[in-house]
Amino acid sequence: DAKTTQPTSMDCAEGRAANLPCNHSTISGNEYVYWYRQIHSQGPQYIIHGLKNNETNEMASLIITEDRKSSTLILPHATLRDTAVYYCIARVGSGAGSYQLTFGKGTKLSVIP
Amino acid sequence: DSGVTQTPKHLITATGQRVTLRCSPRSGDLSVYWYQQSLDQGLQFLIQYYNGEERAKGNILERFSAQQFPDLHSELNLSSLELGDSALYFCASSKDAGGRMGEQFFGPGTRLTVL
Repeated sequence: DAKTTQPTSMDCAEGRAANLPCNHSTISGNEYVYWYRQIHSQGPQYIIHGLKNNETNEMASLIITEDRKSSTLILPHATLRDTAVYYCIARVGSGAGSYQLTFGKGTKLSVIP
Repeated sequence: DSGVTQTPKHLITATGQRVTLRCSPRSGDLSVYWYQQSLDQGLQFLIQYYNGEERAKGNILERFSAQQFPDLHSELNLSSLELGDSALYFCASSKDAGGRMGEQFFGPGTRLTVL
C-alpha cells in the first residue's frame, strides 16, 4: 500500500468546514483512498473512499487531485462530535491480494466551540 | 452501532496467562479482521479470515492465533501473555474479501490489561 502523509493535528471552529489534507504521491493506479476516523478509543469508523473522481456522502466529501497524488477530506459543517483522529489510507481496491487497512498516525482534528 | 460485537469489553490478567477474545461480525459479512492498538505502535493489522479460511496475516506474534467458525464468529487467542500485549484489540468485518466496496466495520474493542 502507498504511504500517506497527514498533518499531525488541526483545529477547526464549530460550524465551519474542516479540510483535512492527505499526501499519497506514490499511489498506484489500482489503489483507492479511504478515510476512517476514530473518536477517542472507539473502533474506527469508515467515512468515505474514492479512486479518481470526487465523492460525496452524508458524512463528508472527498476531493482527489487529478494526478491522484493528494486528496482532501471535507467535513462541511464541523460539530464538536467530529473531534477525532482522521486516517487517510491508500489500499488496493480489487483483484488478488489482501485488503487489510494500514493505519498511519492520522490527523487529530479538534473542533473548537 | 456498527453491528459488530466483541466480548469481553475489558480483560485484566497476569503475565504468562492465556485469553480468548471473541468477535461476531455484522450479519452477512464473511470477512473478519483483527487489529491491535497500543500506545507505541498505533493501530496494526493482525490477521484476516474470510468464510472460515485465513486470508491474510500481518504483524501477528506466534503466541497469538485466531480462527473463524462456521457461524462466522471469530476468536483471537493470546497466550504466554506479556506486559507489552496490553492494548485495545479491535475486530472488523466486511461483506467480501475486501474489494473496493468492502469498507470495514469495526467493533467497540476489547481492552486487555496484562499485569
